[in-house]
Amino acid sequence: GENVEQHPSTLSVQEGDSAVIKCTYSDSASNYFPWYKQELGKRPQLIIDIRSNVGEKKDQRIAVTLNKTAKHFSLHITETQPEDSAVYFCAASSQSNDYKLSFGAGTTVTVRA
Amino acid sequence: DSGVTQTPKHLITATGQRVTLRCSPRSGDLSVYWYQQSLDQGLQFLIHYYNGEERAKGNILERFSAQQFPDLHSELNLSSLELGDSALYFCASSGGIDRFRDYGYTFGSGTRLTVV
Repeated sequence: GENVEQHPSTLSVQEGDSAVIKCTYSDSASNYFPWYKQELGKRPQLIIDIRSNVGEKKDQRIAVTLNKTAKHFSLHITETQPEDSAVYFCAASSQSNDYKLSFGAGTTVTVRA
Repeated sequence: DSGVTQTPKHLITATGQRVTLRCSPRSGDLSVYWYQQSLDQGLQFLIHYYNGEERAKGNILERFSAQQFPDLHSELNLSSLELGDSALYFCASSGGIDRFRDYGYTFGSGTRLTVV
């Protein structure tokens, strides 16, 4: 099955700086890559996603890049703010796996004021 | 409100007991997934149902079982509870397998289970 690895496990950044989280996946058939943000005690929420026919997608301060050849994708948060502090999960899915999402282990992001 | 409803929000019970967690998926979604999240841990996949049928099992203990009913709501049954079963249990729904309305999952707010 699909195996998604996520790095780093924790990330501390100064407010205003950028944060980058990287994920690799194992199944070359994976074609959908969402990112979820989970605030303490709350549900994971989809913040951005990308499909395999696109190399980059941006939504205001967040962007995701995908390198299909290397089988890795990354989340970029620019101009970080305290409300960006949360746990971020990457995931991948493919038709061959019933579109079931395989999640990375998560990255705890702390934005220092 | 995500459209995925989980009840109850909180549950405190004693070791050895049995509980049932309920999930109503977003309108039109056929798939329901259950996840367990222990303190400071990631999302551990338990089980996936699609339109009433079990599709995949993850790290689900034999003491746990689930089902999806004709109205598409799902229940997760946890029995012979142990202290280590204390966790947040999330369900998520998605559009389905054969025809995807959207690929992503929508999570419910979770049930926080505390076993004492």
